[in-house]
Amino acid sequence: SAVISQKPSRDICQRGTSLTIQCQVDSQVTMMFWYRQQPGQSLTLIATANQGSEATYESGFVIDKFPISRPNLTFSTLTVSNMSPEDSSIYLCSVLGGQGQPQHFGDGTRLSIL
Amino acid sequence: AQSVAQPEDQVNVAEGNPLTVKCTYSVSGNPYLFWYVQYPNRGLQFLLKYITGDNLVKGSYGFEAEFNKSQTSFHLKKPSALVSDSALYFCAVRAGGYQKVTFGTGTKLQVIP
Repeated sequence: SAVISQKPSRDICQRGTSLTIQCQVDSQVTMMFWYRQQPGQSLTLIATANQGSEATYESGFVIDKFPISRPNLTFSTLTVSNMSPEDSSIYLCSVLGGQGQPQHFGDGTRLSIL
Repeated sequence: AQSVAQPEDQVNVAEGNPLTVKCTYSVSGNPYLFWYVQYPNRGLQFLLKYITGDNLVKGSYGFEAEFNKSQTSFHLKKPSALVSDSALYFCAVRAGGYQKVTFGTGTKLQVIP
């Protein structure tokens, strides 16, 4: 299975600032996803990161708030912009290697906004 | 629309006893079903999947799950629980190979020594 490295693992940020989270995969993958997880709760899909085109956002998430880049088949970034305390959460990168395969996850970025 | 239900927020089981974590699903067409485990400060780790074939699927760490089409269930089981199995467990479903996955709300498993 793919090995996913996510950076940073955690951060504490000031209100109004932005943070970019990086996701590096050790192999080329078709689909990459970004999720948000409130502590102890389920996962909410933010967007699908498409290589060579704009990300596809889920309802309730917009590009201005969560800009995503995917310059190649092994790397993606998620930026959390103009942060507020409500953005305090765990952000997870996930990849899908192929049809019928499970998704695999990075260890997440634990973000706290003061 | 597809959905997953994990009816128990928490399951407590004594070490050495069998454990079951319940999952039911709703999806159009043939389901792809998955179980994941999440330990503290970690991402989700894949345990097992059902795509087609035998209804009893075996996975990592001695876990298995039984696919029941008539009851639309995919319960996770283990014959003998370990304290180290204590974690958060997620069931997930998708309608096809590249379709979006829907996750359940998670069940916290507590194995008591």
